[in-house]
Amino acid sequence: QKEVEQNSGPLSVPEGAIASLNCTYSDRVSQSFFWYRQYSGKSPELIMSIYSNGDKEDGRFTAQLNKASQYVSLLIRDSQPSDSATYLCAVNWGYSGAGSYQLTFGKGTKLSVIP
Amino acid sequence: NAGVTQTPKFQVLKTGQSMTLQCAQDMNHNSMYWYRQDPGMGLRLIYYSASEGTTDKGEVPNGYNVSRLNKREFSLRLESAAPSQTSVYFCASSGTGDQPQHFGDGTRLSIL
Repeated sequence: QKEVEQNSGPLSVPEGAIASLNCTYSDRVSQSFFWYRQYSGKSPELIMSIYSNGDKEDGRFTAQLNKASQYVSLLIRDSQPSDSATYLCAVNWGYSGAGSYQLTFGKGTKLSVIP
Repeated sequence: NAGVTQTPKFQVLKTGQSMTLQCAQDMNHNSMYWYRQDPGMGLRLIYYSASEGTTDKGEVPNGYNVSRLNKREFSLRLESAAPSQTSVYFCASSGTGDQPQHFGDGTRLSIL
């Protein structure tokens, strides 16, 4: 059973601080990793994709991947109240037959940025 | 700039009624997916379609059927709705290979 684990939170950080969100996954045979942001009552929105070990930066967001440790994280610098949402980690395990590449989602970490 | 469009956005059904949730994407994606999201359970895959003409079961397919009508459209049908199917349903699509999935706005379905 391929699993993706996240701390459910809530994670509370003050405005302007760095928020660190973590995700571990169960199988080393994984291809790609994604972070989605989901506001309450809304749909998941893709914010970061990462395919290889190391860091990937996009604006205030940095995704970090360590395949040997089966660990992926998301850092949000200069956190804003508008960043308050649930963050979903998703792992693509690679080709699963019949032309498909399925994602397994973690249950999400709820982030609250306090003004 | 529509992306993935789901209809309806809200629906209330009585136990035993049937209905079809519609999904269409305009990104020329090959793969499409149906998920349900319940509190504490996260997103769970119901069915997916890797390409036009193919469909396959996901993690929680019981009580549902799907149709990949063409490359753009992928529908989800509840033949005899049950209260346990009360949930938020999301349709998603993705391009070839290990590209990310993009989600529609969801359908909030309540079954009484």
